[in-house]
Amino acid sequence: DTGVSQNPRHKITKRGQNVTFRCDPISEHNRLYWYRQTLGQGPEFLTYFQNEAQLEKSRLLSDRFSAERPKGSFSTLEIQRTEQGDSAMYLCASGPSQGRGEQYFGPGTRLTVT
Amino acid sequence: AQSVTQLGSHVSVSEGALVLLRCNYSSSVPPYLFWYVQYPNQGLQLLLKYTSAATLVKGINGFEAEFKKSETSFHLTKPSAHMSDAAEYFCAVSGSNDYKLSFGAGTTVTVRA
Repeated sequence: DTGVSQNPRHKITKRGQNVTFRCDPISEHNRLYWYRQTLGQGPEFLTYFQNEAQLEKSRLLSDRFSAERPKGSFSTLEIQRTEQGDSAMYLCASGPSQGRGEQYFGPGTRLTVT
Repeated sequence: AQSVTQLGSHVSVSEGALVLLRCNYSSSVPPYLFWYVQYPNQGLQLLLKYTSAATLVKGINGFEAEFKKSETSFHLTKPSAHMSDAAEYFCAVSGSNDYKLSFGAGTTVTVRA
């Protein structure tokens, strides 16, 4: 069990550029979640997958955001035409579908939009 | 919909003193409740979870939490604070189907030598 990994750890981009983040969950976990955390706040739910199916998206996930989990393993989160308000920590978590809801988080990707 | 409220955004304790972090939940169904810890520039680490078994839950690093349905609370305690406990702590609740977490705003713990 190597834990949840996320890449890159830090990303600085200019407003209007597209960015993509990757999450590799714990291998035996079916569920994968994305959260966004801004300074001084708790994480906010963005979307989640069970295997390759995206089952729910938060209203926070505007049409500039898209997430995929093509083979039910790793996931990507893409933000198009980034805005300064997108600056945040993006956290990925995974969990077993047979568990009791516990989720294991990766180290996060910190996005700064200049 | 489930939600949690953490009372107190900042707690300062002396090394060796009791740590008490307060969390109240709102849920229309029996909740799953969690406490997570976050160190600077890191992800969240699961401290403990309540999933309707024992009401007193023991976690890692000497932390424990008690589920009180009558008070809709799930407060986190540690009898003796250590310098390494300085971090931000989040209470979270999830539904029983989708398991997505709703977090409180967090409580920052400072430990004084």
